[in-house]
Amino acid sequence: QSALTQPPSVSGSPGQSVTISCTGTSSDIGNYNRVSWYQQTPGTAPKLMIYEVSNRPSGVPDRFSGSKSDNTASLTISGLQAEDEADYYCSSYTSRNTWVFGGGTKLTVL
Amino acid sequence: EVQLVESGGGLVQPGGSLRLSCATSGFTFRSYWMHWVRQVPGKGLVWVSRINSDGSATSYADSVKGRFTISRDNAKNTLYLQMSSLRAEDTAVYYCARPSMSYSEAGGFDHWGRGSLVTVSS
Repeated sequence: QSALTQPPSVSGSPGQSVTISCTGTSSDIGNYNRVSWYQQTPGTAPKLMIYEVSNRPSGVPDRFSGSKSDNTASLTISGLQAEDEADYYCSSYTSRNTWVFGGGTKLTVL
Repeated sequence: EVQLVESGGGLVQPGGSLRLSCATSGFTFRSYWMHWVRQVPGKGLVWVSRINSDGSATSYADSVKGRFTISRDNAKNTLYLQMSSLRAEDTAVYYCARPSMSYSEAGGFDHWGRGSLVTVSS
């Protein structure tokens, strides 16, 4: 059960857009739409930002969007704000009836 | 208000055992599958285990299979994780998490506890 692959860090200036990738395999992302994204700030529990590839829970700004192509899912944050600085994790259901997370990406707002 | 409160963490020696609990309130516990996720401080999230709504189906990460047992008491609205043969690499904050959709694993984990720290050390 290898972790999904995310870039360790991304950065952007306020107002810009950033995209975080999450690469898996045909046994997880490639075969299921149960891909979620979580935001975590230091000392807090993760917060659900995107579920089922591209759906936003109520209360999550529409600046956050998700997509998927083949074995790779992506989280795009547009109109970057200082408050978006956090760690982001992707997650996917797998063919073994388990779940797997990505290694996490630290977003820095310059 | 949905609440998940973990307890039972602490310091345990390698090879020892510990049982974590996750007390829940604010929703119909028996209708939801439940999960455990762990995180080494400063590191990433790692999925550990899940149990279906009536407790009849479970699954585990390879790293804990055969050592950890997930269970639930729907009468007490409580989720458990029995951990045995603990190793130093099991040291982490353990979160319980609830999917957003009932009777399903769909919808992502929309509610999390604050976590319980387990430290495995001699």
